[in-house]
Amino acid sequence: SYELTQPPSVSVSPGQTASITCSGDNLRNKYTFWYLQKPGQSPVLVISEDNKRPSGIPERFFGSTSGNTATLTISGIQAMDEADYYCQTWDTSTVVFGGGTKLTVL
Amino acid sequence: QVQLVQSGAEVKRPGASVKVSCKASGYSFTDCYMHWVRQAPGQGLEWMGWINPKSGGTTYAQKFQGRVTVTRDTSISTAYMDLSRLRFDDTAVYYCVRDFGNALDMWGQGTMVTVSS
Repeated sequence: SYELTQPPSVSVSPGQTASITCSGDNLRNKYTFWYLQKPGQSPVLVISEDNKRPSGIPERFFGSTSGNTATLTISGIQAMDEADYYCQTWDTSTVVFGGGTKLTVL
Repeated sequence: QVQLVQSGAEVKRPGASVKVSCKASGYSFTDCYMHWVRQAPGQGLEWMGWINPKSGGTTYAQKFQGRVTVTRDTSISTAYMDLSRLRFDDTAVYYCVRDFGNALDMWGQGTMVTVSS
């Protein structure tokens, strides 16, 4: 079955830039979506189709893909950005999530 | 505004079944697929399956084939997820999620299902 691999954790200081990666076979030929989830809350879509920001998502959130790795970049990190982040793609009509990355703001 | 409201928490015995409902409002229910995703305590997101509300067609994750059934009632804009032969490791929060252009753009509030003897 198809798998997406994310680092378990990323730490960054306030004001700095965080990058969270997501890798998978042939990911360059698929769309990647990103979600953030804060404790006790439902996930929220922050990036659609590799690099599109839904309405209401700050410009600090940026999605990109290079080769078989998708990256979510968050600039000007704030304490409120501390959350779990999940990448997701589609594989033959099924949804696949990465294992999630815990972003810690130091 | 778009909203997905799920049914309340459930406690079930091992071997029992659970049925979670998800009522949609603020958009045309039959225009968007509906997914079910679960999250065990302290764990990541796990996709279970989707339903096309217009046709009733479904696709399930291989892991849940034979145990999960997703249905819908278009007259009340509600989707249902039925999981049978419950095990302890089915304890999780279950989410319904709207699919808008292949993005899972709106999530329900989640339903906690606890399997306990």
